Amino acid sequence: DAGVTQSPTHLIKTRGQQVTLRCSPKSGHDTVSWYQQALGQGPQFIFQYYEEEERQRGNFPDRFSGHQFPNYSSELNVNALLLGDSALYLCASSRWTGSGGYTFGSGTRLTVV
Amino acid sequence: GIQVEQSPPDLILQEGANSTLRCNFSDSVNNLQWFHQNPWGQLINLFYIPSGTKQNGRLSATTVATERYSLLYISSSQTTDSGVYFCAVGTDKFYFGSGTKLNVKP
Repeated sequence: DAGVTQSPTHLIKTRGQQVTLRCSPKSGHDTVSWYQQALGQGPQFIFQYYEEEERQRGNFPDRFSGHQFPNYSSELNVNALLLGDSALYLCASSRWTGSGGYTFGSGTRLTVV
Repeated sequence: GIQVEQSPPDLILQEGANSTLRCNFSDSVNNLQWFHQNPWGQLINLFYIPSGTKQNGRLSATTVATERYSLLYISSSQTTDSGVYFCAVGTDKFYFGSGTKLNVKP
């Protein structure tokens, strides 16, 4: 039973560039949430996708956008990268209905230089 | 949003010792999970425990939803227990605490 898969694992980008991160949810899960974790802090909620629509959004600027595909996989896009966007980006999958909590991927470590 | 406070922020234990980690939250929630973040960054689910008590080997957790807190117990700690422990709570999305950084020394 595959868990949550994220790619790439590491990424280095230059300030001002754009980046796309990818996530495949756990089998049986239909909801994907994205989190940003800065060094030494707890993860912060970015947004959540279900049925290919953004359902919830945290306090992040419009430079952060996402997409969910019919197979439930998801992408996180960040435009006009800032140095402060350097962080670990975590994807979590869950079931929209029912309990069971979240399953997290291993994350993508983004460094902006 | 929901405020989540974890204590203590840092904990150093000798191998074999027991410990209790606490998570207080500011509002009613229907989801609560404890995670262990390994050195590579992955959040490993320990317990999904919106209420009640659960045990898994040397670990156990109790959530008292009416009083808005949860406790994670680690018994007979091992060096492999080192890392950061996060409590996450919420309804339709999760709010994380700042974590408890545990260092178990041999």
